[in-house]
Amino acid sequence: EVQLLESGGGLKQAGESLRLSCTPSEFSFSSYAMSWVRQAPGKGLEWVSTISNFGGGTFYADSVKGRFTISRDNSKKTLFLQMDSLRVEDTAVYYCAKCFGPGSGSYFHDFWGQGSLVTVSS
Amino acid sequence: EIVMTQSPATLSVSPGEGATLSCRASQSVSYNLAWYQQKPGQAPRLLIYRTSTRATGIPAGFSGSGSGTEFTLTISSLQSEDFAVYYCQQYNDWPLTFGGGTKVEIK
Repeated sequence: EVQLLESGGGLKQAGESLRLSCTPSEFSFSSYAMSWVRQAPGKGLEWVSTISNFGGGTFYADSVKGRFTISRDNSKKTLFLQMDSLRVEDTAVYYCAKCFGPGSGSYFHDFWGQGSLVTVSS
Repeated sequence: EIVMTQSPATLSVSPGEGATLSCRASQSVSYNLAWYQQKPGQAPRLLIYRTSTRATGIPAGFSGSGSGTEFTLTISSLQSEDFAVYYCQQYNDWPLTFGGGTKVEIK
């Protein structure tokens, strides 16, 4: 079964940067779009960003646009989320999630990691 | 942005009873609607995609219906493991958006 492992979470101060990584178990990584979805403590799910299978398309929530950058290295089978200018409201568990397919019509998530906690203090 | 509104926020159900959860979109999302289940301390799990297609391994007791702006997730007979929070997500347009969730709790 597909497994996704996030790393890189931790405690940061507002204005600092952090990079999350996600490494999958064996599946054809370059065949699928990938997303980051976050969940603030006690709150619902919030989509953050999605990248197409070869990285040519990237999409962002307005709340992170211009501050966060999603990228992937298909040769190393790794997904990244570079988080700059962190804000207190970015505090959340960040999930790496595999999209059902490579592109349009498949941007729902059939496998999820266990999440990486990012805490931003003021 | 397409706003997804789920109702009710909390549903109290006795084990063995059925449950109907609603999800409304602020504009049409065609059939591009997914449902997820999340239990405390766990990652979400995909239940339904394209409105009514069950994901791999999801029992037949879960079913989805609807189109356009009105969608329903039906759980035919609640088992102990089904008490959780359920989210809908539209993937018809950017940004992807989730509903606020429906918590199904034991009555």
